[in-house]
Amino acid sequence: GAVVSQHPSRVICKSGTSVKIECRSLDFQATTMFWYRQFPKQSLMLMATSNEGSKATYEQGVEKDKFLINHASLTLSTLTVTSAHPEDSSFYICSARTLAGAFYEQYFGPGTRLTVT
Amino acid sequence: AQSVTQLDSHVSVSEGTPVLLRCNYSSSYSPSLFWYVQHPNKGLQLLLKYTSAATLVKGINGFEAEFKKSETSFHLTKPSAHMSDAAEYFCVVAGSSNTGKLIFGQGTTLQVKP
Repeated sequence: GAVVSQHPSRVICKSGTSVKIECRSLDFQATTMFWYRQFPKQSLMLMATSNEGSKATYEQGVEKDKFLINHASLTLSTLTVTSAHPEDSSFYICSARTLAGAFYEQYFGPGTRLTVT
Repeated sequence: AQSVTQLDSHVSVSEGTPVLLRCNYSSSYSPSLFWYVQHPNKGLQLLLKYTSAATLVKGINGFEAEFKKSETSFHLTKPSAHMSDAAEYFCVVAGSSNTGKLIFGQGTTLQVKP
């Protein structure tokens, strides 16, 4: 089946530094990738939609200069949390979308736990 | 606009008894609906999906869900709970215009007691 990986799975960084999270589709090409954020014991909130070769589309309330998204190829999207602060600590999950027959399928990565100290 | 409401934030059952997780949806057109499961500190796994075919959808691990348009519901059921079913469950509706956006419910924590 289709697999999406995320790297790193866990990261701890100091306040004010930047952190990059990678999302890769391992055995398929993703036309679109999505980035979600999940606070403890809460649901997933869509942050942005990323299409290969174009600028990401951010959801209302998400700072695009804070959360930089780059979709360099059909198998890789990166999320960079710039000048991280403790309130950015969260579980970040990506998903990748591909056309499978007549329907689109979306596959989720395992998530990245970011802790900002 | 599309939305989903999961009616229970927490459900507790005994092992071997039936599971019912409730979800109501709101959509201006025929929706695509999904149930995902998330085990602690893990990503999401698709249990099943409804995309306007059969209204009774069978998924993995013995789960199934029934799409009821008249009740705008998509409840998840399983005849007999297993300890490994303890997890967070999300009811999800696809957003409009085939953008791929998914709208998540607030989640239901399923506890399975021995």
